[in-house]
Amino acid sequence: GENVEQHPSTLSVQEGDSAVIKCTYSDSASNYFPWYKQELGKRPQLIIDIRSNVGEKKDQRIAVTLNKTAKHFSLHITETQPEDSAVYFCAASMSTGFQKLVFGTGTRLLVSP
Amino acid sequence: DSGVTQTPKHLITATGQRVTLRCSPRSGDLSVYWYQQSLDQGLQFLIQYYNGEERAKGNILERFSAQQFPDLHSELNLSSLELGDSALYFCASTGTGGADTEAFFGQGTRLTVV
Repeated sequence: GENVEQHPSTLSVQEGDSAVIKCTYSDSASNYFPWYKQELGKRPQLIIDIRSNVGEKKDQRIAVTLNKTAKHFSLHITETQPEDSAVYFCAASMSTGFQKLVFGTGTRLLVSP
Repeated sequence: DSGVTQTPKHLITATGQRVTLRCSPRSGDLSVYWYQQSLDQGLQFLIQYYNGEERAKGNILERFSAQQFPDLHSELNLSSLELGDSALYFCASTGTGGADTEAFFGQGTRLTVV
């Protein structure tokens, strides 16, 4: 089955810096890669996703890149702000059949003012 | 508000007991996923139901079981509870059986086993 590894487990940056979180997946058939943000004590919420027919997707200060050959994808946050502090989870799944969404172990991002 | 409702929000119970967690998916969503999140841990997939049928299973203990009812709400039953079962339990719903669309999470049920 699918396995998703996520690095780093914690990331501390200064406000205004960029942050990059990386994930690798094992199943080459996976074709959907969402990123979820979980603030302390709250539910995970989707912030951006990418499908395997696209190499990059951007939404304001966040972007995701996908390298299908290497089976890895990354989340990029530019001009970080204190409110970006949260745990970020990557995930992978397939669109065919009834597939489960497999999450990475999470990255705790701390943005210091 | 994601549209996914979980009850109760908090649950405190003793070891050896049995509890039932309830999840109502977003209106129209057919698929329900259950995840366990232990303290400072990731989201561990437990089980998925689609339109009343079990579709995928993760590392769910034999002491745990789930079902999805005709009205599409789902229940997760945890029995013979142990201290290590203390965790935040999330359910999420998607519109289809595939996991290639946004999953909407409920607010979670925090289970504390004492």
